[in-house]
Amino acid sequence: GENVGLHLPTLSVQEGDNSIINCAYSNSASDYFIWYKQESGKGPQFIIDIRSNMDKRQGQRVTVLLNKTVKHLSLQIAATQPGDSAVYFCAENWVGGYNKLIFGAGTRLAVHP
Amino acid sequence: EAQVTQNPRYLITVTGKKLTVTCSQNMNHEYMSWYRQDPGLGLRQIYYSMNVEVTDKGDVPEGYKVSRKEKRNFPLILESPSPNQTSLYFCASSADRADSPLHFGNGTRLTVT
Repeated sequence: GENVGLHLPTLSVQEGDNSIINCAYSNSASDYFIWYKQESGKGPQFIIDIRSNMDKRQGQRVTVLLNKTVKHLSLQIAATQPGDSAVYFCAENWVGGYNKLIFGAGTRLAVHP
Repeated sequence: EAQVTQNPRYLITVTGKKLTVTCSQNMNHEYMSWYRQDPGLGLRQIYYSMNVEVTDKGDVPEGYKVSRKEKRNFPLILESPSPNQTSLYFCASSADRADSPLHFGNGTRLTVT
């Protein structure tokens, strides 16, 4: 949405490079994680998810890595394209407890030609 | 097409004038939720609903009401809007509260003067 990228950390990459966006999650009990992409003027869009019984999951051009030991999640985007420019959010949930996703603050990805 | 539809996209109103933001999903999802998004504060949950006639408060429920009379609809009601409710609002739904991704609408930009 408009202005959602204000005050966020920004990752700048060249078109064609690989991007890695990192996220530290808050609760060791969390067992379901999602990455979202939000373009200007739009709602968050689901990219990929992973459950805590996995440490890696791949989609089309994207890979999510989960390190439960240090409560860290990362999103890797291969061959980054200008259309990947957006704000990226990680979110966590706890199947046994929460009634909501808890969202990270977000990272703005800027892809330069 | 599977989607979450919010209306209106943009709304400017004055303090105290009751308004309703509508939300409808066509995926037969049980779980629905409202979020507001503010710069520097990220996405915060207002209310959620686990199913028809089952609603509960999120993190920032003050000044808002919701209802869930039908599975597909989850309107957000501001009985007496105030300027601090100026924000970008998102409705979202998922098949399950815990381990399936939320699908978001495209947002409602509300300005209260």
